Amino acid sequence: GESVGLHLPTLSVQEGDNSIINCAYSNSASDYFIWYKQESGKGPQFIIDIRSNMDKRQGQRVTVLLNKTVKHLSLQIAATQPGDSAVYFCAETGLNTGFQKLVFGTGTRLLVSP
Amino acid sequence: GAGVSQSPSNKVTEKGKDVELRCDPISGHTALYWYRQSLGQGLEFLIYFQGNSAPDKSGLPSDRFSAERTGGSVSTLTIQRTQQEDSAVYLCASSLVGSGTGANVLTFGAGSRLTVL
Repeated sequence: GESVGLHLPTLSVQEGDNSIINCAYSNSASDYFIWYKQESGKGPQFIIDIRSNMDKRQGQRVTVLLNKTVKHLSLQIAATQPGDSAVYFCAETGLNTGFQKLVFGTGTRLLVSP
Repeated sequence: GAGVSQSPSNKVTEKGKDVELRCDPISGHTALYWYRQSLGQGLEFLIYFQGNSAPDKSGLPSDRFSAERTGGSVSTLTIQRTQQEDSAVYLCASSLVGSGTGANVLTFGAGSRLTVL
């Protein structure tokens, strides 16, 4: 599968920099959020998730921040590497759909220069 | 299997023809999803299967689109009388529902790229 096309928001960073990718979600009833990474020619891969009763969650080199007041989600990648180059999607779901249906954002392309 | 497998990986067809796209989910995963990813767009939900329950077809864009899941495992997405606007990557995902976390981590396949000429 091919990644999304040419008109995505793009974030260009240098290797070693920290990256911040932002996402605004629309449904105030959503209470579970996920970040996916999609490399060229592959399907999206799970990175990290967060529930609405949290405002921060950390993984390995990644941190997700959730601001429910303004319905904003961000993904921070520390010490960005060329292998982090991909399209990143946020997704939301909630109890109103039994957590069964994910609604995806349009994605942000991250380009990491060596 | 180790992952979600989709076939064909690429399909080129002529307008008006029917196509079938296949998905083999991860063994033991009871939930299966189809999403569509058009150029410049995010992932669009199409249909969701969960066990023996009636599928959620709310995302299917028209009656030319249908899907079935046989034996609770393999799924086939069928597009009849294809149109150029059907050109997209069709992604299948599966998940292990009832993991106890209330979460729903989807594992995606690599997708089937459909081009309608």
